[in-house]
Formats: sequence, structure tokens, C-alpha cells
Amino acid sequence: NAGVTQTPKFQVLKTGQSMTLQCAQDMNHNSMYWYRQDPGMGLRLIYYSASEGTTDKGEVPNGYNVSRLNKREFSLRLESAAPSQTSVYFCASSTPTGSNQPQHFGDGTRLSIL
Amino acid sequence: RKEVEQDPGPFNVPEGATVAFNCTYSNSASQSFFWYRQDCRKEPKLLMSVYSSGNEDGRFTAQLNRASQYISLLIRDSKLSDSATYLCVCSDAGNNRKLIWGLGTSLAVNP
Repeated sequence: NAGVTQTPKFQVLKTGQSMTLQCAQDMNHNSMYWYRQDPGMGLRLIYYSASEGTTDKGEVPNGYNVSRLNKREFSLRLESAAPSQTSVYFCASSTPTGSNQPQHFGDGTRLSIL
Repeated sequence: RKEVEQDPGPFNVPEGATVAFNCTYSNSASQSFFWYRQDCRKEPKLLMSVYSSGNEDGRFTAQLNRASQYISLLIRDSKLSDSATYLCVCSDAGNNRKLIWGLGTSLAVNP
């Protein structure tokens, strides 16, 4: 089972370049999430999509945009990369049923902005 | 005050030891609670959900104390492979689809 798949796994960009991080899940989950993780900061939510067709800002949305392309796919775009966006990015998904909604993660994208 | 607080550790224990982690959360209206484990440079993986009645999964036992707003994780008979960071997580009281993450407790199990 693939679960949550993120591409690419590693990327180096120059300041000002743009790129899109891709995420796809095959678990038929309604909700999808983008996080960044930095040393000493823990996981911080960038954007999330509660269901197909909806997106909402999380804790640190500035400098990012997202697209919920369909139920399976949720992409994160950096329009003009900045060194402060150097981080590990995780995509996650969850099922909407009941109140117990653990999230399942992809294996991350390690992004360096020079 | 952070919404979810954990002792960062590190906890260094010998193989076979029993170790316990506690975590406190600030919003009494949180509904769901989890423990995740994260290995170095890897993604967080769900270890177990935490239920009000307490629950056990093999060597792992989780407890929830709503009155005191804390969650605990007990690991018995520690293995070398248990070395990781353990993340305490609760749902956002205002939006159950969002999770609030602790910074994690680091565990090193030594031979």
C-alpha cells in the first residue's frame, strides 16, 4: 500500500525560484494537510483541505499556495522561494469519520533554498 | 504557555527498562489524543490513539486524565528499536480536523 506519496524527496532551489511539491494519497481520505518541520519548532501547519474543493490557512501560510486538485491530490506551491522556507515538508491525510482522526504522513520533502 | 507541552528529554534508559512520558494540554475541549513516534529525519508515524479508559498495545500503554489535562505513555521492556522521538498530539478544540503537536520527547535505549 502506497499510503501518502510525496514528490520530490529532495530539492535545492535558488532564492526567487518557484516550485510545486506534490502529494497524493490512495486511502480515500477526505482531509489533507501540509506541514513544515524545523529544528526546535515542531510540526507547523501551513495549509489544509478538509475536503475536495476547500482549502484553509494553517499557522504559517505566508509565502505558500495550495491546490486540492481532486480527492487524491493536494499540492503546495512556493511562488518565490526564500531561505526562510528551507525546511522539511510533510503532507498528511486523515479520514473524516468520528472524532478520532489520526493523520497519516508521507515521507517528506527536504527543501533547501540558497 | 504552549498548547501541548512535553519534556524534551533526552531520556537515556537501558534495554529492558520501563520508561514513562507525560504530556499536558491546555484546552479542556480537545476531543482526540494520540502518540506518534518519529525517527531521525523520517516522517511521524502513529503509535497509538489515546482513549479515556486507557489503552494498551503490546508493550505500550497510554492513559488520558481529562481532569488534570495530561496524557501519558508507558513503554515496558524497552528495545533498542524504541529509540526515537515521541510526539504527543491532541485535536484542536475549535476544529477537530486539525491537530496540535507537542515538540516531542527524545528516547535513547542503550544496550
